[in-house]
Amino acid sequence: DTGVSQDPRHKITKRGQNVTFRCDPISEHNRLYWYRQTLGQGPEFLTYFQNEAQLEKSRLLSDRFSAERPKGSFSTLEIQRTEQGDSAMYLCASTSDTSNQPQHFGDGTRLSIL
Amino acid sequence: QQQVKQSPQSLIVQKGGIPIINCAYENTAFDYFPWYQQFPGKGPALLIAIRPDVSEKKEGRFTISFNKSAKQFSLHIMDSQPGDSATYFCAASKRGTYKYIFGTGTRLKVLA
Repeated sequence: DTGVSQDPRHKITKRGQNVTFRCDPISEHNRLYWYRQTLGQGPEFLTYFQNEAQLEKSRLLSDRFSAERPKGSFSTLEIQRTEQGDSAMYLCASTSDTSNQPQHFGDGTRLSIL
Repeated sequence: QQQVKQSPQSLIVQKGGIPIINCAYENTAFDYFPWYQQFPGKGPALLIAIRPDVSEKKEGRFTISFNKSAKQFSLHIMDSQPGDSATYFCAASKRGTYKYIFGTGTRLKVLA
Protein backbone atom coordinates (compact mmCIF):
# COMPACT_ATOMS: atom_id res chain seq x y z
CA ASP A 1 0.00 0.00 0.00
CA THR A 2 1.91 2.99 -1.28
CA GLY A 3 -0.86 5.56 -0.92
CA VAL A 4 -2.51 7.72 -3.56
CA SER A 5 0.03 9.14 -6.00
CA GLN A 6 -0.49 12.28 -8.09
CA ASP A 7 1.62 13.62 -10.91
CA PRO A 8 2.85 16.26 -11.48
CA ARG A 9 3.01 17.93 -8.05
CA HIS A 10 3.19 21.37 -9.58
CA LYS A 11 2.15 22.68 -12.98
CA ILE A 12 2.66 26.21 -14.27
CA THR A 13 1.12 27.06 -17.59
CA LYS A 14 -0.05 30.00 -19.64
CA ARG A 15 -3.71 30.88 -19.94
CA GLY A 16 -5.31 29.04 -22.84
CA GLN A 17 -3.08 25.98 -22.68
CA ASN A 18 -4.32 22.45 -21.99
CA VAL A 19 -3.10 20.53 -18.95
CA THR A 20 -3.48 16.92 -17.83
CA PHE A 21 -3.03 15.48 -14.36
CA ARG A 22 -2.67 11.85 -13.36
CA CYS A 23 -3.81 10.00 -10.25
CA ASP A 24 -2.82 6.50 -9.20
CA PRO A 25 -5.14 5.30 -6.42
CA ILE A 26 -4.35 2.79 -3.71
CA SER A 27 -4.32 -0.62 -5.38
CA GLU A 28 -7.64 -2.47 -5.15
CA HIS A 29 -9.54 0.75 -4.38
CA ASN A 30 -12.23 0.86 -7.01
CA ARG A 31 -13.68 4.27 -6.13
CA LEU A 32 -11.71 7.31 -7.21
CA TYR A 33 -12.57 10.95 -6.58
CA TRP A 34 -11.34 14.31 -7.84
CA TYR A 35 -11.62 17.46 -5.72
CA ARG A 36 -10.46 21.04 -6.20
CA GLN A 37 -9.13 23.14 -3.34
CA THR A 38 -8.52 26.88 -3.52
CA LEU A 39 -6.48 28.82 -0.98
CA GLY A 40 -8.14 29.00 2.42
CA GLN A 41 -11.03 26.74 1.45
CA GLY A 42 -11.99 23.13 1.92
CA PRO A 43 -11.82 20.69 -1.00
CA GLU A 44 -14.79 20.80 -3.38
CA PHE A 45 -16.04 17.68 -5.11
CA LEU A 46 -15.57 17.52 -8.87
CA THR A 47 -16.30 13.95 -9.98
CA TYR A 48 -16.01 10.31 -9.01
CA PHE A 49 -15.53 6.89 -10.61
CA GLN A 50 -16.49 3.42 -9.61
CA ASN A 51 -14.09 1.24 -11.56
CA GLU A 52 -14.08 2.77 -15.05
CA ALA A 53 -17.56 4.30 -14.82
CA GLN A 54 -17.87 8.02 -14.10
CA LEU A 55 -20.92 8.12 -11.83
CA GLU A 56 -21.26 11.73 -10.80
CA LYS A 57 -20.02 15.12 -11.98
CA SER A 58 -20.28 18.40 -10.10
CA ARG A 59 -21.60 21.55 -11.74
CA LEU A 60 -18.09 22.88 -11.06
CA LEU A 61 -16.87 20.60 -13.84
CA SER A 62 -17.42 22.80 -16.88
CA ASP A 63 -17.19 21.42 -20.41
CA ARG A 64 -13.50 22.38 -20.43
CA PHE A 65 -12.86 19.65 -17.87
CA SER A 66 -12.80 15.95 -18.66
CA ALA A 67 -11.84 12.99 -16.50
CA GLU A 68 -11.20 9.41 -17.46
CA ARG A 69 -10.38 6.15 -15.77
CA PRO A 70 -10.00 3.86 -18.77
CA LYS A 71 -9.09 0.56 -17.12
CA GLY A 72 -10.45 1.20 -13.66
CA SER A 73 -6.98 1.84 -12.27
CA PHE A 74 -5.31 5.26 -12.76
CA SER A 75 -7.30 8.35 -13.71
CA THR A 76 -6.56 11.51 -15.65
CA LEU A 77 -8.09 14.96 -15.33
CA GLU A 78 -7.70 17.26 -18.32
CA ILE A 79 -8.43 20.97 -18.41
CA GLN A 80 -8.67 22.55 -21.85
CA ARG A 81 -8.16 26.25 -22.59
CA THR A 82 -7.12 27.01 -19.02
CA GLU A 83 -8.34 30.21 -17.36
CA GLN A 84 -7.01 32.20 -14.40
CA GLY A 85 -9.82 30.84 -12.23
CA ASP A 86 -8.56 27.29 -12.75
CA SER A 87 -5.58 28.01 -10.47
CA ALA A 88 -6.03 25.64 -7.53
CA MET A 89 -4.85 22.42 -5.92
CA TYR A 90 -6.40 19.39 -7.62
CA LEU A 91 -6.73 16.49 -5.20
CA CYS A 92 -7.40 12.85 -5.91
CA ALA A 93 -8.77 10.38 -3.35
CA SER A 94 -9.64 6.71 -3.39
CA THR A 95 -11.58 4.26 -1.28
CA SER A 96 -12.85 0.71 -1.43
CA ASP A 97 -16.33 -0.11 -2.65
CA THR A 98 -17.88 -0.41 0.81
CA SER A 99 -20.39 1.88 2.43
CA ASN A 100 -18.80 4.91 4.05
CA GLN A 101 -15.18 3.90 3.99
CA PRO A 102 -12.78 6.82 4.52
CA GLN A 103 -11.29 8.47 1.47
CA HIS A 104 -7.50 8.53 1.25
CA PHE A 105 -6.07 11.61 -0.45
CA GLY A 106 -2.96 12.18 -2.50
CA ASP A 107 -0.80 15.29 -2.06
CA GLY A 108 -2.41 16.97 -5.04
CA THR A 109 -1.30 18.82 -8.14
CA ARG A 110 -0.95 22.57 -7.69
CA LEU A 111 -1.91 24.37 -10.90
CA SER A 112 -0.81 27.95 -11.49
CA ILE A 113 -2.07 29.86 -14.53
CA LEU A 114 0.11 32.74 -15.70
CA GLN B 1 -28.75 22.08 2.91
CA GLN B 2 -25.55 20.77 1.42
CA GLN B 3 -23.30 22.99 3.51
CA VAL B 4 -21.16 22.09 6.46
CA LYS B 5 -20.39 25.14 8.61
CA GLN B 6 -17.11 25.06 10.52
CA SER B 7 -15.82 27.33 13.26
CA PRO B 8 -13.61 28.95 14.34
CA GLN B 9 -11.66 29.98 11.27
CA SER B 10 -8.44 30.06 13.28
CA LEU B 11 -7.35 29.04 16.74
CA ILE B 12 -4.25 29.58 18.86
CA VAL B 13 -3.60 27.50 21.99
CA GLN B 14 -0.72 26.86 24.32
CA LYS B 15 1.03 23.49 24.31
CA GLY B 16 -1.00 21.05 26.39
CA GLY B 17 -4.26 22.94 25.77
CA ILE B 18 -7.41 21.35 24.32
CA PRO B 19 -8.47 23.07 21.09
CA ILE B 20 -12.09 22.45 20.10
CA ILE B 21 -13.32 22.80 16.52
CA ASN B 22 -17.03 22.78 15.76
CA CYS B 23 -19.07 21.84 12.73
CA ALA B 24 -22.79 22.04 11.99
CA TYR B 25 -24.89 20.62 9.19
CA GLU B 26 -28.47 20.81 7.95
CA ASN B 27 -28.96 17.74 5.78
CA THR B 28 -30.21 14.88 7.96
CA ALA B 29 -29.32 12.43 5.18
CA PHE B 30 -25.63 12.82 6.08
CA ASP B 31 -24.49 9.66 7.83
CA TYR B 32 -20.70 9.77 7.93
CA PHE B 33 -18.55 12.52 9.41
CA PRO B 34 -14.74 12.38 8.99
CA TRP B 35 -12.13 14.86 10.18
CA TYR B 36 -8.99 15.56 8.18
CA GLN B 37 -5.68 17.23 9.03
CA GLN B 38 -3.78 19.09 6.33
CA PHE B 39 -0.24 20.46 6.40
CA PRO B 40 0.93 23.06 3.84
CA GLY B 41 1.66 21.49 0.48
CA LYS B 42 0.15 18.16 1.47
CA GLY B 43 -3.15 16.45 0.91
CA PRO B 44 -5.71 15.99 3.70
CA ALA B 45 -4.98 13.04 6.00
CA LEU B 46 -7.79 11.23 7.81
CA LEU B 47 -7.74 11.67 11.58
CA ILE B 48 -10.93 10.11 12.85
CA ALA B 49 -14.50 9.56 11.65
CA ILE B 50 -17.88 8.96 13.26
CA ARG B 51 -21.36 7.75 12.34
CA PRO B 52 -24.50 9.35 13.87
CA ASP B 53 -25.41 6.30 15.95
CA VAL B 54 -22.42 7.05 18.20
CA SER B 55 -22.17 10.12 20.46
CA GLU B 56 -18.42 10.04 21.02
CA LYS B 57 -15.36 8.40 19.54
CA LYS B 58 -11.73 8.55 20.69
CA GLU B 59 -8.56 7.70 18.80
CA GLY B 60 -5.39 8.57 20.62
CA ARG B 61 -5.46 12.27 21.50
CA PHE B 62 -8.36 13.00 19.12
CA THR B 63 -12.01 12.84 20.20
CA ILE B 64 -15.17 13.49 18.18
CA SER B 65 -18.34 14.47 20.02
CA PHE B 66 -21.55 14.09 18.03
CA ASN B 67 -24.93 15.66 18.83
CA LYS B 68 -27.47 14.24 16.40
CA SER B 69 -30.43 16.30 17.61
CA ALA B 70 -28.48 19.55 17.28
CA LYS B 71 -26.86 18.41 14.02
CA GLN B 72 -23.46 19.37 15.35
CA PHE B 73 -20.16 17.60 15.86
CA SER B 74 -16.82 18.69 17.21
CA LEU B 75 -13.18 17.68 17.34
CA HIS B 76 -11.19 17.88 20.57
CA ILE B 77 -7.41 17.53 20.57
CA MET B 78 -6.11 16.47 23.98
CA ASP B 79 -2.65 17.55 25.19
CA SER B 80 -2.03 19.52 22.00
CA GLN B 81 1.53 19.75 20.68
CA PRO B 82 3.30 22.19 18.32
CA GLY B 83 3.31 19.37 15.74
CA ASP B 84 -0.50 19.53 15.71
CA SER B 85 -0.28 22.98 14.09
CA ALA B 86 -2.14 22.45 10.82
CA THR B 87 -5.49 23.11 9.13
CA TYR B 88 -8.35 20.86 10.18
CA PHE B 89 -11.39 20.10 8.04
CA CYS B 90 -14.64 18.45 8.97
CA ALA B 91 -16.66 16.75 6.27
CA ALA B 92 -19.95 14.94 5.78
CA SER B 93 -21.26 12.42 3.29
CA LYS B 94 -24.52 10.61 2.71
CA ARG B 95 -25.21 7.03 1.78
CA GLY B 96 -25.46 6.50 -1.93
CA THR B 97 -23.25 9.41 -2.98
CA TYR B 98 -20.09 8.98 -0.91
CA LYS B 99 -18.74 12.37 -2.00
CA TYR B 100 -17.60 14.54 0.85
CA ILE B 101 -18.90 18.02 1.62
CA PHE B 102 -16.10 19.80 3.46
CA GLY B 103 -16.18 22.65 5.94
CA THR B 104 -14.08 25.73 5.29
CA GLY B 105 -11.28 24.67 7.63
CA THR B 106 -9.76 25.77 10.93
CA ARG B 107 -6.15 26.87 11.05
CA LEU B 108 -4.71 25.70 14.39
CA LYS B 109 -1.49 26.99 15.90
CA VAL B 110 -0.12 25.38 19.04
CA LEU B 111 2.46 27.51 20.81
CA ALA B 112 5.47 25.82 22.39
